[in-house]
Amino acid sequence: DVVMTQSPLSLPVTLGQPASISCRSSQSLVHSDGNIYLNWFQQRPGQSPRRLIYQVSHRDSGVPDRFSGSGSGTDFALKISRVEAEDVGVYYCMQGTHWPHTFGGGTKVEIK
Amino acid sequence: EVQLVESGGGVVEPGGSLRLSCAASGFTFSVFWMSWVRQAPGKGLEGVARITEDGGAKYYVDSVKGRFTISRDNAKNSLYLQMNSLRAEDTAVYYCARGGYRSPDNWGQGTLVSVSS
Repeated sequence: DVVMTQSPLSLPVTLGQPASISCRSSQSLVHSDGNIYLNWFQQRPGQSPRRLIYQVSHRDSGVPDRFSGSGSGTDFALKISRVEAEDVGVYYCMQGTHWPHTFGGGTKVEIK
Repeated sequence: EVQLVESGGGVVEPGGSLRLSCAASGFTFSVFWMSWVRQAPGKGLEGVARITEDGGAKYYVDSVKGRFTISRDNAKNSLYLQMNSLRAEDTAVYYCARGGYRSPDNWGQGTLVSVSS
């Protein structure tokens, strides 16, 4: 199975400041169709996961443009340009290129 | 609005069975892959099973193969997960999710399954 490794585990951030989460896969996520199926999910406290980003950098409908995704091959990142209070929660990367789909261990974003 | 409502969770003894259901609304159910994803208490997410639009193909994570069965009824807009031979390590919140070919884009609120004697 593809192992997804996220860092850091915990990310204390000052409101209005940027934040960045790294996600590394144990093998290439380039599918035979040429696409990279790397997704990012946000899970706020007590809620279900919500998809923010699909195929590395495509924002889902309704997701604020302060969230952006980037990367290629095996190295990916989620960036929040200016953290707001509602961004508190755990963020997961997930690969959908290989079955079983696998998730990173999560990064907890909290306000300093 | 996409809605996914899970039901059927509960407490069961090791070796027991449960059947989870997911009622879908707000979209054309029959044209989407569907998935079950679980989250053990205080832990991360794990994809459990997925099923094609017509139910013709099903995929499972190794840890549940031979014990869990995913199915769907497109006439009833419903997704199911039959769980047999349950183990303590199956204890988790089980989420129904739309999509699963490459990425689940909408999730239900989850149903808790607790396997304990």
